[in-house]
Amino acid sequence: DGGITQSPKYLFRKEGQNVTLSCEQNLNHDAMYWYRQDPGQGLRLIYYSQIVNDFQKGDIAEGYSVSREKKESFPLTVTSAQKNPTAFYLCASRSRDSVSYEQYFGPGTRLTVT
Amino acid sequence: KQEVTQIPAALSVPEGENLVLNCSFTDSAIYNLQWFRQDPGKGLTSLLLIQSSQREQTSGRLNASLDKSSGRSTLYIAASQPGDSATYLCAVNYGGSQGNLIFGKGTKLSVKP
Repeated sequence: DGGITQSPKYLFRKEGQNVTLSCEQNLNHDAMYWYRQDPGQGLRLIYYSQIVNDFQKGDIAEGYSVSREKKESFPLTVTSAQKNPTAFYLCASRSRDSVSYEQYFGPGTRLTVT
Repeated sequence: KQEVTQIPAALSVPEGENLVLNCSFTDSAIYNLQWFRQDPGKGLTSLLLIQSSQREQTSGRLNASLDKSSGRSTLYIAASQPGDSATYLCAVNYGGSQGNLIFGKGTKLSVKP
């Protein structure tokens, strides 16, 4: 069953701690993305990766870091430098071989930092 | 600056009504446009994707149209049902394989039984 998985669904952390959100896909997609969603703000792009071992900053990369060591995996670390980390985080992927470049999303991780 | 706008932010209709959701974009040189559905606390589900060369796409009770010259897309939902209640987002891709999606803020639809 192909798709994108994100874990955990809910995550609670104390302020000052780093936390890593998992994103795995078995769609054989080259490109992967991390978005942040806040009420009334829409989706904002944090980081993206077009190919293994390469990634670029999106619009709001400050306080976040990523790695792309495997095609299937694109973990996101929320560091203590991120001033307002509480949000809903969405991972997405898409194929670079298709004409449409349709993007598919995972179920999301809700992070709460207190 | 490339921006995507969705109006209204929220819409409430009685069951059975046909309805139209609007999406406008500032730069008409798009590669394609994608409509998504999002249920509360869930990820996004892709509904329809329209390439820049297409005028419309249909899936069941959904029909999405694209008018690049006016910078507009509409999502038409026929015979709405309470199960259609969700937030609908449109997103524009300007760069093809290298392009990132630019999202509107969505329209929250409520269909009352």
